[in-house]
Amino acid sequence: EVQLVDSGGGLIQPGGSLRLSCAASGFSVSTTYMNWVRQAPGKGLEWVSVIYLGGTTYYADSVKGRFTISRDNSQNTVDLQMNSLTAEDTAVYYCARGGGFGKYYFDYWGQGTLVTVSS
Amino acid sequence: EIVLTQSPGTLSLSPGERATLSCRASQSVSSNYLVWYQQKPGQAPRLLIYGASSRATGIPDRFSGSGSGTDFTLTISRLEPEDSAVYYCQQYGSSRFTFGPGTKVDIK
Repeated sequence: EVQLVDSGGGLIQPGGSLRLSCAASGFSVSTTYMNWVRQAPGKGLEWVSVIYLGGTTYYADSVKGRFTISRDNSQNTVDLQMNSLTAEDTAVYYCARGGGFGKYYFDYWGQGTLVTVSS
Repeated sequence: EIVLTQSPGTLSLSPGERATLSCRASQSVSSNYLVWYQQKPGQAPRLLIYGASSRATGIPDRFSGSGSGTDFTLTISRLEPEDSAVYYCQQYGSSRFTFGPGTKVDIK
C-alpha cells in the first residue's frame, strides 16, 4: 500500500529555517517525481516544488532561492529545506507523488504538516 | 505562466442535482495536462480526473471531465451529500504545476 507521511512542521520565527520530511512506503521515491504542495489557512492549493527522476528540481517563484527539495533513495524520503521563512510561508505542507513518467498528476498525498511562521 | 480561473466560486445545490464546474486557462493547455482534485475539510486532496477526462481509480462514474484548449469542465451528474468539498483544477507546463483557486460545492 502506498503511503506518504509528512513531518517536521512547527512554529518558527520569521527569518528562521525548517526542514520538512516525507517518508514514503509501498513504492520507491526513485521511481517517480515527487512534489511539495502547500495550503495557507483558509486558502487554496499552491504547488511549491518538484524533484524529477534525474534529480532536476523546480520551484514556485514564491520560494525560489529559499527552499530546496531533495531526495534520499536509501531512506525513501523526500525533504524540503525552508530558509528565510516569512509569515506568508505559513501553511499546511503536503508531499505528493507524481503519477509517473508522462503522467502529470499527483496520485497520492501525505496527510500534511503545519508550518506556522510567527514571532 | 499559465493562470487557471475557476467558476463559480461557490455552488449550492441539492442532492440529485447536476453540478457543472468550470476551469479556464489563460493559454491553451494540453488535455493530457489538465487534472481535477477534490478536497474535503481537514483532508488532503484526492485525485479525481486526469488527462481532462479519465477517472482515477475508485472514482464513481457520476464524476466526469471534459474540455480542451482553454476551457475544461468537471461535471457531477447526481450530487451525493459526500460530494460536498472544494474542487481544484491543476495544469502542468514548463516542468511546473499550477492550481486553480477552487470551487466550493455545498450540498443543501
